[in-house]
Amino acid sequence: GIQVEQSPPDLILQEGANSTLRCNFSDSVNNLQWFHQNPWGQLINLFYIPSGTKQNGRLSATTVATERYSLLYISSSQTTDSGVYFCAGEGGSTLGRLYFGRGTQLTVWP
Amino acid sequence: GAVVSQHPSRVICKSGTSVKIECRSLDFQATTMFWYRQFPKKSLMLMATSNEGSKATYEQGVEKDKFLINHASLTLSTLTVTSAHPEDSSFYICSARHPGSGNTIYFGEGSWLTVV
Repeated sequence: GIQVEQSPPDLILQEGANSTLRCNFSDSVNNLQWFHQNPWGQLINLFYIPSGTKQNGRLSATTVATERYSLLYISSSQTTDSGVYFCAGEGGSTLGRLYFGRGTQLTVWP
Repeated sequence: GAVVSQHPSRVICKSGTSVKIECRSLDFQATTMFWYRQFPKKSLMLMATSNEGSKATYEQGVEKDKFLINHASLTLSTLTVTSAHPEDSSFYICSARHPGSGNTIYFGEGSWLTVV
């Protein structure tokens, strides 16, 4: 299967700081998404970004498909940004099957 | 609002009993749904692919007799944990691909299972 490496595994920030999370894929993926998992376990879709750059408020993401990586930028972080961030790619022959990274545990202190 | 709904969100059951978790696509038809399991502070592990009208496809190492999957309609897949043991306690979450939303994949709310 496709291997997904996420970095850093843990990130501790003070409120207001900026951060960049990275995701590398071992093979091409058809569909790349970023998720935020809240403390209750819910996976919240942040971006569907197979290529290019998208922005949504303080968050933005860039995927360079030819180099098999994606970046998630968080600006002016807030305590509510805390949680685990996952990237996942859709690959292989089964549409909808996602390969997940191990996640980045983000903690934002006030 | 929710695109994929999962129920129950939390369940406690006794060892040896069975528990059923439902996953529904709310405004679209899903011929395929996916069941993942997540251990504490770990990533999501695909357990099986649920196929409407046919048998589920299980990942290597997942016991198909223990984790029964049924996909009887285009909007509902169920996961039944049979003869539950404490080691089955985990977070289970389903997903489906939304064809009308740029093929974005959505997840249910997840289900916390505790076997006592």
